[in-house]
Amino acid sequence: AQTVTQSQPEMSVQEAETVTLSCTYDTSESDYYLFWYKQPPSRQMILVIRQEAYKQQNATENRFSVNFQKAAKSFSLKISDSQLGDAAMYFCAYPRAQKLVFGQGTRLTINP
Amino acid sequence: DAGVTQSPTHLIKTRGQHVTLRCSPISGHKSVSWYQQVLGQGPQFIFQYYEKEERGRGNFPDRFSARQFPNYSSELNVNALLLGDSALYLCASSSQGVQDTEAFFGQGTRLTVV
Repeated sequence: AQTVTQSQPEMSVQEAETVTLSCTYDTSESDYYLFWYKQPPSRQMILVIRQEAYKQQNATENRFSVNFQKAAKSFSLKISDSQLGDAAMYFCAYPRAQKLVFGQGTRLTINP
Repeated sequence: DAGVTQSPTHLIKTRGQHVTLRCSPISGHKSVSWYQQVLGQGPQFIFQYYEKEERGRGNFPDRFSARQFPNYSSELNVNALLLGDSALYLCASSSQGVQDTEAFFGQGTRLTVV
């Protein structure tokens, strides 16, 4: 069974600092995608970043980057220069058989 | 362009009642998926429809059903509501499946069963 695990229920960071959110997953596939979604209080899930497993280069989107370790099945999200608007729930997700399998989420708080 | 729209935004129902939730995907998207998100947890997959056919079903009881219309909008129906059905119901649309294309989510319907 494919599972996604986020071991940090809550994280906090000072504004302008860097924070890393952890995610591990389990799969027998060799070629796949991984996603990080952000869910602010408005409830709408927003795609933050996507990683293709066959690409060795870590994905980057402005202040957001990932550390993808395929052998370890680890997919962490790094947020640099944290801003107040980054406060949200963050979910790691793995697409499998036409569905997204989500982790339990990490609540990120930004301290001004 | 309008994003994924869901209606209603909030709903309160009594145990044993029936509820219908609606979703309109992004124009041009043929795939609609439904997820249940219980407070404090990640979303759980309920159904996926593509071109009006069911392509996937999660581990939910038969009280849950869905359908997709010719204009690709979708309805999620839940019969004989239980207190445990209280959750945020999310609809996601994508151009095809979700394996490698981005899924766009609506703001959800908050269902409270009392």
